[in-house]
Order: sequence, then structure tokens, then C-alpha cells
Amino acid sequence: AQSVAQPEDQVKVAEGNPLTVKCTYSVSGNPYLFWYVQYPNRGLQFLLKYITGDNLVKGSYGFEAEFNKSQTSFHLKKPSALVSDSALYFCAVRDASFTGGGNKLTFGTGTQLKVEL
Amino acid sequence: DTGVSQNPRHKITKRGQNVTFRCDPISEHNRLYWYRQTLGQGPEFLTYFQNEAQLEKSRLLSDRFSAERPKGSFSTLEIQRTEQGDSAMYLCASSLGTVLQETQYFGPGTRLLVL
Repeated sequence: AQSVAQPEDQVKVAEGNPLTVKCTYSVSGNPYLFWYVQYPNRGLQFLLKYITGDNLVKGSYGFEAEFNKSQTSFHLKKPSALVSDSALYFCAVRDASFTGGGNKLTFGTGTQLKVEL
Repeated sequence: DTGVSQNPRHKITKRGQNVTFRCDPISEHNRLYWYRQTLGQGPEFLTYFQNEAQLEKSRLLSDRFSAERPKGSFSTLEIQRTEQGDSAMYLCASSLGTVLQETQYFGPGTRLLVL
């Protein structure tokens, strides 16, 4: 079974400060990891993914995430937050070794990011 | 617009009625997924198609739910005899289905309210 934990329901940061949104995962094999962002009453928008290669992945809108296999974490980061980054962020995982049924994603419960002036 | 589209965007129905939602994936994507998202939760997997074949269904998908993708292009999700617990956002996603291109791209969702 695969699972994702996002330990913080909400993260507040001041505009211009760095932000971190935490994610830990559990899979039987190797993980494929994703971050999505959701604005109110909208679908999910892809930000970035880790499949293989460099542990630091860069994505859209200045976001990046670091894959840490020993800590089973994939935290989302941005060096300088913007008010427009305020939204709901979801981490998702798929077990790369699971070949029986395609690549369904398992999502965390989401973290509400609030960037204040 | 070349993204995933879903119709309708909103649906209000009375308990016991049937509803059908449509999803049009990105045109070259051979994989299509349905997820359900309730308030305060992340999306939960419902079912998955590769081309026209339905390859996996979640235990969340009761007998009242059925999904089709008849020509490997658009898909429909039908809920029969709706219940208040079916109220949720229904999300469709599509992907190319290769290891390096398996990012799932989501549509805007259909929000269902069962009265």
C-alpha cells in the first residue's frame, strides 16, 4: 500500500520569506512523487515531479522540491514567497514497482499555504 | 485550449436521480483517470482506463457507479440512484502513460451536490 502524509494543515509565511511545505511518503518499492496546487473551486495544477535522477527537482513558478530517500520525504520549497502563491498544495505518490494497475496516485490531505504582506 | 475539459462544471440533483459526467482528455493521452475529492481531503482514485480498457477500479466505486471510455477518447462517469454521500468534486485526469511522461494533468472538475 502507498500513503502520503502532509503534517501541516496550514502554513503561514510573510511575502518575500522562504517557504517549506512538508510531505512524507510510504511505498513498497521506489517512489514517483508529485506536487500539485489547487486554487478555490478549480482542478489540480501540476507543479513538479521526481521520477529519477537529481534529488533536487525544479518546477513551475519558482518552486522546487528535494527528494530524501532516507527520510522518505519530498518537501516543497520556494526561496521567496508571493501573495499569489496562497493556495492548497497536495503531495502525491505512486509506487514505481506496482505494475498491476497503471499509475494511480495517492494524495495527502493537503496543506493550505497563506502568504501575507 | 488543449487541456483536460469536464462537463458540466456543476450539477445539483435530488437524491435518487441518475447523473452523468463527461471528461475530454488531452488529445494524445492514452490514459484517463477519475478521482473524487471531498471537502478537506485530497483526491481519491476511482478508476483508470488505458485507451478503451478499464484496467482498475477502486473499492470506492460502488455498483451504482459506472465509467466508460468507448472509443479511447472521451470518458463518461455515471452515478445511478444518487445519495447525499455522493456529493463531491469529481476530477478527471489524463496522461501519456510512459515512465518519463506519466504526469497526470487534471481537468477543472465537476462539483456534484445531491439534495
